[in-house]
Amino acid sequence: QLQLQESGPGLVKPSETLSLTCTVSGGSISSSRYYWGWIRQPPGKGLEWIGSIYYSGSTSYNPSLESRVTISVDTSQNQFSLKLSSVTAADTAVYYCARHCLGGSQKAFDIWGQGTMVTVSS
Amino acid sequence: QSALTQPASVSGSPGQSITISCTGTSSDVGGYNYVSWYQQHPGKAPKLLIYDIINRPSGVSDRFSGSKSGNTASLTISGLQAEDEADYYCSSYTSSSALVFGGGTKLTVL
Repeated sequence: QLQLQESGPGLVKPSETLSLTCTVSGGSISSSRYYWGWIRQPPGKGLEWIGSIYYSGSTSYNPSLESRVTISVDTSQNQFSLKLSSVTAADTAVYYCARHCLGGSQKAFDIWGQGTMVTVSS
Repeated sequence: QSALTQPASVSGSPGQSITISCTGTSSDVGGYNYVSWYQQHPGKAPKLLIYDIINRPSGVSDRFSGSKSGNTASLTISGLQAEDEADYYCSSYTSSSALVFGGGTKLTVL
């Protein structure tokens, strides 16, 4: 059974870079035609798509975050990662990693990590 | 890109049916059959209920169904149960090759 687990610092200082890793277990990140994504949710607010990556490394990003976001994949470690630069308090959120479902358009997320809270504060 | 528009809250009694709307534009909801719906209980990760307007992943109850008309997609929950009380989010693919979510709808089971 495929599982995703986010990891990384829970506290990041303003203007610094937020770095998170999603470890995939129960299956290989490169064995199928899946896309993998990052989504965040500020406290008490709705979901926001950050970006997605194919196992080969091709990416797509939310236009509103694109200038600050980098998503990469490490197939040898069965992980994919998120870097968000120049963070502010507005980037405080629960960050989820998720797998795009294989069926249909592949535009939905069918397996999610439990989420990790990241607070931006000095 | 602007978030899709959902009602802030809806409510219904056990056994009833409710519908949650998700309104976008011709550049997202209206332009593609790529709308998804998620259920989120407090403190939990979202769960996929519907993808590509009408499709249910394996294991999702057939009490959940989706539809679309023009720029508005809808999620209908029939035979409402207490455990359906949660937040619901829609999502759509956009003409910018991006994904956008709705603001979320809180469902209260009376």
